[in-house]
Amino acid sequence: AQKVTQAQTEISVVEKEDVTLDCVYETRDTTYYLFWYKQPPSGELVFLIRRNSFDEQNEISGRYSWNFQKSTSSFNFTITASQVVDSAVYFCALSLYRRGGKLIFGQGTELSVKP
Amino acid sequence: GAGVSQSPSNKVTEKGKDVELRCDPISGHTALYWYRQSLGQGLEFLIYFQGNSAPDKSGLPSDRFSAERTGGSVSTLTIQRTQQEDSAVYLCASSVWGQGGEQYFGPGTRLTVT
Repeated sequence: AQKVTQAQTEISVVEKEDVTLDCVYETRDTTYYLFWYKQPPSGELVFLIRRNSFDEQNEISGRYSWNFQKSTSSFNFTITASQVVDSAVYFCALSLYRRGGKLIFGQGTELSVKP
Repeated sequence: GAGVSQSPSNKVTEKGKDVELRCDPISGHTALYWYRQSLGQGLEFLIYFQGNSAPDKSGLPSDRFSAERTGGSVSTLTIQRTQQEDSAVYLCASSVWGQGGEQYFGPGTRLTVT
C-alpha cells in the first residue's frame, strides 16, 4: 500500500527562524514522484516542487530547500529565515507512474510564523 | 495564462438533491483530476481523466458520484441524492500529462449539504 506521513500536525516559529517539515512515504514501486504543495489561508493549493524517484539530488529555490533520501523514504522541506507569508498548511504527496499520477497526500503540516 | 477554474465557488443544497460541479482545466492539459478535501478525511483522490476517458475511478466513494469530461477539456462532477457526509471542498487539478506531471489546482467548490 502507498502512504504519506507528515507527523508534524502544527509547527509554530518566530520570523527568521529556520523550520523543517518532515515527510515520510511508503511504496514498493520503483518509479514514483514526490511533491510539496502549499495551501495558504486563501485556500488554493500551490505547487512548490516535484521530484522523481531516480533523482535524489537536493534542490534549493531561494529560501526553500528539499532533501530527498530514498534510504529513509523521506522528502523533507526546509524554509530558511521564515517569514509571516510562509504561514500556511503544507502538504507532501506521492504519485505512482503506473497509477496515472493521482496524488496521495499526507495529512498536512500547519505552519504558523509569528512576527 | 489562465489557471484552472471551477464553478460554482460555493454551493448549498438540501439533502437528497443532485448537484453538478464544473471544472475548466488549463488549456492544453490532457490530464484532469478531481479531489475532495474535508476536515475528517484530508485530501482524497476521486477520479482521473486522460483526454475524455477515465482510467482511474477508484476514488469515487459511491455510485452516487459520477464524472465526465468532454472535448478533452471541461469536466463535470455530479453527485446524486446528496448526503450530509458529501459536504466538503471539491478540488479540480490539471496536468500537461498524467503519470507524475505536476498538477495545478483550481480554487475549489465548497459544497454544503443541509
